[in-house]
Amino acid sequence: DGGITQSPKYLFRKEGQNVTLSCEQNLNHDAMYWYRQDPGQGLRLIYYSQIVNDFQKGDIAEGYSVSREKKESFPLTVTSAQKNPTAFYLCASKPLRGGIGQPQHFGDGTRLSIL
Amino acid sequence: GIQVEQSPPDLILQEGANSTLRCNFSDSVNNLQWFHQNPWGQLINLFYIPSGTKQNGRLSATTVATERYSLLYISSSQTTDSGVYFCAVGDYKLSFGAGTTVTVRA
Repeated sequence: DGGITQSPKYLFRKEGQNVTLSCEQNLNHDAMYWYRQDPGQGLRLIYYSQIVNDFQKGDIAEGYSVSREKKESFPLTVTSAQKNPTAFYLCASKPLRGGIGQPQHFGDGTRLSIL
Repeated sequence: GIQVEQSPPDLILQEGANSTLRCNFSDSVNNLQWFHQNPWGQLINLFYIPSGTKQNGRLSATTVATERYSLLYISSSQTTDSGVYFCAVGDYKLSFGAGTTVTVRA
């Protein structure tokens, strides 16, 4: 089955710890994205990557880091510098071949909570 | 960045009723998507509609790109239509509206 897999579905973190959220896609999509959603709000862009070994900050990148070593993988690390990390995190991908007018596809998300 | 405004913020419907959700955006874009977020948080693609009109069952959408708005129509609503509907616009990256929470009562 083609799709985007996020793991784990639920994650608990102690204050001061870094945690890494996994996002893998087998859609052969070029671009990948991380969004954060707080209760009752829309999604906000954290980081995105259009090509391997390159990525750009989104609107709320402070306290987060990413890597793009493989086309199919785009892990997100929530560092201890992120003061309010409790949120729902969604990963997305889209093809870039055929132009920029392509839809994004989303994974099922990871819920991160602070203990 | 692009500003996206959705209205109304909340909508309560009786089963079988029709409704219209609106999305206004501040700049021209090559990508506009409508999503339905279910109670488990899954974001379901409804439409990719940068311009024109599309229909999928009881749902349809129209985007007037020159006037920077899009409409999502729900006809003969069912309880399973409940959830949050998001409009998102952008080119390489999406900007999301705050959503419309739809509650359909039996």
